[in-house]
Amino acid sequence: NAGVMQNPRHLVRRRGQEARLRCSPMKGHSHVYWYRQLPEEGLKFMVYLQKENIIDESGMPKERFSAEFPKEGPSILRIQQVVRGDSAAYFCASSAGTGVLNTEAFFGQGTRLTVV
Amino acid sequence: GNSVTQMEGPVTLSEEAFLTINCTYTATGYPSLFWYVQYPGEGLQLLLKATKADDKGSNKGFEATYRKETTSFHLEKGSVQVSDSAVYFCAPLERGSRLTFGEGTQLTVNP
Repeated sequence: NAGVMQNPRHLVRRRGQEARLRCSPMKGHSHVYWYRQLPEEGLKFMVYLQKENIIDESGMPKERFSAEFPKEGPSILRIQQVVRGDSAAYFCASSAGTGVLNTEAFFGQGTRLTVV
Repeated sequence: GNSVTQMEGPVTLSEEAFLTINCTYTATGYPSLFWYVQYPGEGLQLLLKATKADDKGSNKGFEATYRKETTSFHLEKGSVQVSDSAVYFCAPLERGSRLTFGEGTQLTVNP
């Protein structure tokens, strides 16, 4: 049973370009979470999605950032017109549900975005 | 929403020393509590968890007890190893919500 798969592991973009980060949750998991980790900081929640629905996007910047989790395929975190301050590690996690027994979140290895 | 206060790092210990990393949280309900560990260049791995008051989570010699009265979930290990060097994150999770992470505590264990 493969874990949470994120790709690419490393992504370099020039200022103004678009970044697309992909996350395939663990098999059987329908809940996906995106977190951002700035250098020397903890993880900050960005968005929580279920298939075809955004449940909580309270941590997403209001502009340039969007996320989706389609019926088929991976979840995508999209950053338009990247700026240097977007440079960070972006982690995806998935879980089977929200009940007490299945809330354990499994993390991917992250995508390290560098904006030059 | 939830918030977490973690012991500030970095923490530097000698091998076989006793480790405590404090964690206190605020939550509107009764969250499940998790400790995650992040090794250099890697994602987070679940270290241990507790889902209700007085539960003790344990793994790889690490332990933490869910203390509802003090809203704490302190991480302990009796004898640390060099391989325990990593960043440790405390995180409460309320049902139907998402993990809220502390700032993380960097642990370095010297031989």
